[in-house]
This record gives sequence, C-alpha cells and structure tokens, in this order.
Amino acid sequence: DVKVTQSSRYLVKRTGEKVFLECVQDMDHENMFWYRQDPGLGLRLIYFSYDVKMKEKGDIPEGYSVSREKKERFSLILESASTNQTSMYLCASRGGVYSNQPQHFGDGTRLSIL
Amino acid sequence: SQQGEEDPQALSIQEGENATMNCSYKTSINNLQWYRQNSGRGLVHLILIRSNEREKHSGRLRVTLDTSKKSSSLLITASRAADTASYFCAPMDTGRRALTFGSGTRLQVQP
Repeated sequence: DVKVTQSSRYLVKRTGEKVFLECVQDMDHENMFWYRQDPGLGLRLIYFSYDVKMKEKGDIPEGYSVSREKKERFSLILESASTNQTSMYLCASRGGVYSNQPQHFGDGTRLSIL
Repeated sequence: SQQGEEDPQALSIQEGENATMNCSYKTSINNLQWYRQNSGRGLVHLILIRSNEREKHSGRLRVTLDTSKKSSSLLITASRAADTASYFCAPMDTGRRALTFGSGTRLQVQP
C-alpha cells in the first residue's frame, strides 16, 4: 500500500514565522500535491510537482512556496505565516504522468496561526 | 481549473438504505474519480471511471458517468454507520496533471 506521511498532525505557529510542512511518500511517485481544506470551500490546490525540482502553481499559490529536492519528499513553505493560513493542509502523491491513477493522501496537518 | 460540484451538500439516511450522490462538471474529462474522507483524516480513493465507461461497480459502490450531461453519480447500497463521511468527486481534465475537488457531500448514516 502507498503510504503518504505528513510530519505533523497538529501544528501551532505565530504570525510572521516561517513554517515548513513536510510530506514523504514511499512509492516512487512522480507527482506530489499540496492542498488546503477549509469549511465551505472544499479542497483547493496550492502547488504541485511532477518531478524533482519541478513545480507548478495551483489555484491559490499566494503566500506559499514549495521545495522538491528528492523524489520522495515535497515541502510546503509559508514564508511569513498569517492568520488566514490557518487551515487543514493535505499532501497527496500519484504515479505516472497524465495517468489514470488515483491520488493517495496523507492524514493532513491541522495548522493554527496565532 | 475544473472542479466537480457535488449534490446534495448533506445527506442523512438510516442504516440499510441506499445513498445517492451526484456530481456535475463543466469540460471534457479523461476520467472521474470518487473519494471518501472520514472526519479529520485524509481522502481515500474509492473508484475511478474512465470517460469511455458508463458504469462501474466496486463492492457496495456503483458509479455511473454520463459524458453528454457532464454528470456522474455514486450509489452506496445497504449503507452502514461506518459509511458516514464526506464524499468528493474529482473530474480529471484531459491534459491536466492535478485533480481539483469541490466541497463534497456529507453523508450521515444513522444506526
């Protein structure tokens, strides 16, 4: 079974801090994704990566950056955290390029910015 | 980017009843996927239906796809309390790499 592991289930940070959310997958998947989930807004795509050192903006990239130095690891960075970035963050991975493969999700990180 | 719109937003049924959730989308797709999310957890893939398929079954799940109407439905038969969760459809646009999701249908199955 594919395992996608997010480093923290719960995280509390202060406004202005630089925040790192880490995600690791164990299936050698090319594609990795970061979403945030807010009540009433569903899941929104922040960034994704289809190869090492490659990234593409999703629908809401403002205030975020990402890093993919190794195939198994995809990091989401909040450069200067703000209270409106309090949310549930979900990481996912998928094999193949334009493929009929499912996305596999981690259990999420609930991030609170105070 | 395209996302599916699920309907209804919330559904409450008794154990043993069937649950039907609908999904509409706007543009041409390669496939459409359904996911489940238990409270406070990540999404779990349920079923994928390709654009050239009309119906697919997996255990108690039945998914239909009508590309002419740009709609899909998920039927859960003989529901159980453990089916209580949010359900999301995710249409995969032709040529895109990432799935997008709507707000989902919250299903409550009363024991």
